Amino acid sequence: SQTIHQWPATLVQPVGSPLSLECTVEGTSNPNLYWYRQAAGRGLQLLFYSVGIGQISSEVPQNLSASRPQDRQFILSSKKLLLSDSGFYLCAWSKGLLSRTGNTIYFGEGSWLTVV
Amino acid sequence: AQSVTQPDIHITVSEGASLELRCNYSYGATPYLFWYVQSPGQGLQLLLKYFSGDTLVQGIKGFEAEFKRSQSSFNLRKPSVHWSDAAEYFCAVAPGYGGATNKLIFGTGTLLAVQP
Repeated sequence: SQTIHQWPATLVQPVGSPLSLECTVEGTSNPNLYWYRQAAGRGLQLLFYSVGIGQISSEVPQNLSASRPQDRQFILSSKKLLLSDSGFYLCAWSKGLLSRTGNTIYFGEGSWLTVV
Repeated sequence: AQSVTQPDIHITVSEGASLELRCNYSYGATPYLFWYVQSPGQGLQLLLKYFSGDTLVQGIKGFEAEFKRSQSSFNLRKPSVHWSDAAEYFCAVAPGYGGATNKLIFGTGTLLAVQP
């Protein structure tokens, strides 16, 4: 069966410091990978998605970037964190396009980021 | 543009009472529809999904949802709520067959509290 792991689970970082959140998927190949952010009192916002190694689509221009160095690895980064980057970050995966019957997004356990 | 509306931000029900969480979507064609549940500090778990066929969909944990095309709705129901159902519930939509996207659009969520 497929599993998704992301870490760290909790992170407290000062303003201006760098960020690296990592996500890996096991038990499948060539998954679509996603990073979502959930801010307090708001829904989930899609930040980035990737359909393959080195292929990244950005949904919202901001202080963050994403990379996919390996097939099942997805990394969310920032060079200099802002206070507004605080939130709950969720990695997710799907097998192919969501518009195809049966395809579903599966989420990791999330990473809490507090920028102080 | 596609959108998902969950009109109830917060709902409180008594344990053993019935539950209905509302979800309305805006999309030109029949979308694929999902309900996810998120326990505090956790990732999202898929409850159920609708792609086609029977408009009444059964999910895990005793939940069901009914797709009503005429009302553009996909409301989540449970006949008898348990204290462990207290969580936040998210409705989401993806374009249906013929679409080509990796975007899963989420509503802002409904926080469910269960009274003993």
